[in-house]
Amino acid sequence: SQQGEEDPQALSIQEGENATMNCSYKTSINNLQWYRQNSGRGLVHLILIRSNEREKHSGRLRVTLDTSKKSSSLLITASRAADTASYFCATVEAGSARQLTFGSGTQLTVLP
Amino acid sequence: NAGVTQTPKFQVLKTGQSMTLQCAQDMNHNSMYWYRQDPGMGLRLIYYSASEGTTDKGEVPNGYNVSRLNKREFSLRLESAAPSQTSVYFCASSTGKLWESTDTQYFGPGTRLTVL
Repeated sequence: SQQGEEDPQALSIQEGENATMNCSYKTSINNLQWYRQNSGRGLVHLILIRSNEREKHSGRLRVTLDTSKKSSSLLITASRAADTASYFCATVEAGSARQLTFGSGTQLTVLP
Repeated sequence: NAGVTQTPKFQVLKTGQSMTLQCAQDMNHNSMYWYRQDPGMGLRLIYYSASEGTTDKGEVPNGYNVSRLNKREFSLRLESAAPSQTSVYFCASSTGKLWESTDTQYFGPGTRLTVL
């Protein structure tokens, strides 16, 4: 079963706009990670946020985590056409320590 | 430094045929993983190897076997392929240093498998 569910399933924006994707999960977690997948390629790790962190930044990426609501959001600011990809959240369940459980992903399209 | 490599990139099988998907990493990682990705879905874990010499089942292990040949290589075998195994298969690796709470995974480019 999939732990995370992303919302929306698809998002289309203009270049320069911000893109926000949300992820909800079901169990207590150790950490939550976001990955990007370009069409026909493998996944690339973007950012990791630990369960005791609330916000994290990396370049144009901002991730928030609300463990009380079991949800996370990924914000991409000043989007570019090259940001077009699928974005997946993945969680490491507290106590399992090892396995990543992926959500179904958000397909982001950035129009030039 | 190639990262994680997978062979083959594409494969077409007939129902009942067998094949082995190969995966290798050159990052000296302890842990390796096999996932499958079906259209419109996230990745589902088939098997993983926390360290050389160990393997464990993931979420969807039925119909698959794995071998951790050495620290670098982790293969996935389909003994009798079925159409339900048509998917894209990804191999990944990580340091396995879970106590650091920063263990992230590095993925290969994938193998697209079609079973007729």
